[in-house]
Amino acid sequence: LAKTTQPVSMDSYEGQEVNITCSHNNIATNDYITWYQQFPSQGPRFIIQGYKTKVTNEVASLFIPADRKSSTLSLPRVSLSDTAVYYCLVASYGKLTFGQGTILTVHP
Amino acid sequence: DAGVTQSPTHLIKTRGQQVTLRCSPKSGHDTVSWYQQALGQGPQFIFQYYEEEERQRGNFPDRFSGHQFPNYSSELNVNALLLGDSALYLCASSLRGPSNYGYTFGSGTRLTVV
Repeated sequence: LAKTTQPVSMDSYEGQEVNITCSHNNIATNDYITWYQQFPSQGPRFIIQGYKTKVTNEVASLFIPADRKSSTLSLPRVSLSDTAVYYCLVASYGKLTFGQGTILTVHP
Repeated sequence: DAGVTQSPTHLIKTRGQQVTLRCSPKSGHDTVSWYQQALGQGPQFIFQYYEEEERQRGNFPDRFSGHQFPNYSSELNVNALLLGDSALYLCASSLRGPSNYGYTFGSGTRLTVV
């Protein structure tokens, strides 16, 4: 299973763009890259998923270079409510492998 | 549209006891996965049920077992509880067996073993 490495924590301010980078050097051909958000005492919530290049939805963008060994989650104009733990996963046939995640703290 | 429902929300058990946690998947989903999340850690995969059979299993001992019913709901059973089993137990549902996407998580059951 591919392992992921991401920063333990990040700080930002309201209105800024936040980029969280994740490395997954051993990603397999069939693996997708998925990001989840988790608030305390809640289950993870799906943010975005991609295989290559760029994916954008209403809440985030995901950038994946050609070698797929890393990915960057971009959150535009964060607010206080974006304070949470963000997990980068490489999804392999149903077994989601979570790392420790990145604790994002957004300050006023 | 009901999401994933887990019960109970909180539970306190004594070491050595047995516990059963329950999960109702999101409407339209037929696959249920269980995860254990210790404090400050990411969720760890326990197992996945599809078509009433265990399809995949993580690195958990046989004390952890499960079941899926014809209505797609699922139970997680843990026997001979240890203090280290204290954690948030999460259920995730999805569609059509092992896949790479479409997982919806419940809010979890907080199990405390004393």
